[in-house]
Amino acid sequence: SYVLTQPPSVSVAPGKTARITCGGNNIGSKSVHWYQQKPGQAPVLVIYYDSDRPSGIPERFSGSNSGNTATLTISRVEAGDEADYYCQVWDSSSDHPNWVFGGGTKLTVL
Amino acid sequence: EVQLVESGGGLVQPGGSLRLSCAASGFTVSSNYMSWVRQAPGKGLEWVSVIYSGGSTYYADSVKGRFTISRDNSKNTLYLQMNSLRAEDTAVYYCARNLILTGYFDYWGQGTLVTVSS
Repeated sequence: SYVLTQPPSVSVAPGKTARITCGGNNIGSKSVHWYQQKPGQAPVLVIYYDSDRPSGIPERFSGSNSGNTATLTISRVEAGDEADYYCQVWDSSSDHPNWVFGGGTKLTVL
Repeated sequence: EVQLVESGGGLVQPGGSLRLSCAASGFTVSSNYMSWVRQAPGKGLEWVSVIYSGGSTYYADSVKGRFTISRDNSKNTLYLQMNSLRAEDTAVYYCARNLILTGYFDYWGQGTLVTVSS
């Protein structure tokens, strides 16, 4: 089945830019979605279809996807952005529908 | 306002059974693709099962043959019947809506914790 690889952790100072990657074989041919999860809370969709933002998500959150890597970019990072972030794709290669998640990246705001 | 509220989690012995419920409001469960996604303690997200608007059901290989997803249209509620539970099934179970089959999960419940232990 399809595998998504994320770095376990990313650290960034407040006001700087954080980039969280999601690697997969030819992931650029798939649509990638990103979720933010804070401790004790359910995941929240922050980017869908590679680069679209749901209503209510700040413009500081953006996404891109090409080749073997998708990237979630958070500009002007704030303390409130500290959370786990997961990428997700829909995998059609198996004999049943399959929604695949990356292992997650813990974003630490220094 | 769309809302998903799970219930039914708890402590169960290995080999036991449990039924989770997910009560929906603000939309119709039977008109949407609905999934269960779980998260083991300290681990990532894992898709478990989906029920299509047409009624077809599918499962992750890890739970196939042990779990059954269903819905009650009159109660606008999604269920997950879990049998032959194992320690590795210990997780927070979320119900979530797939707005588009091949896309993303746009709404999630708050989750319910299932602990399988003797």
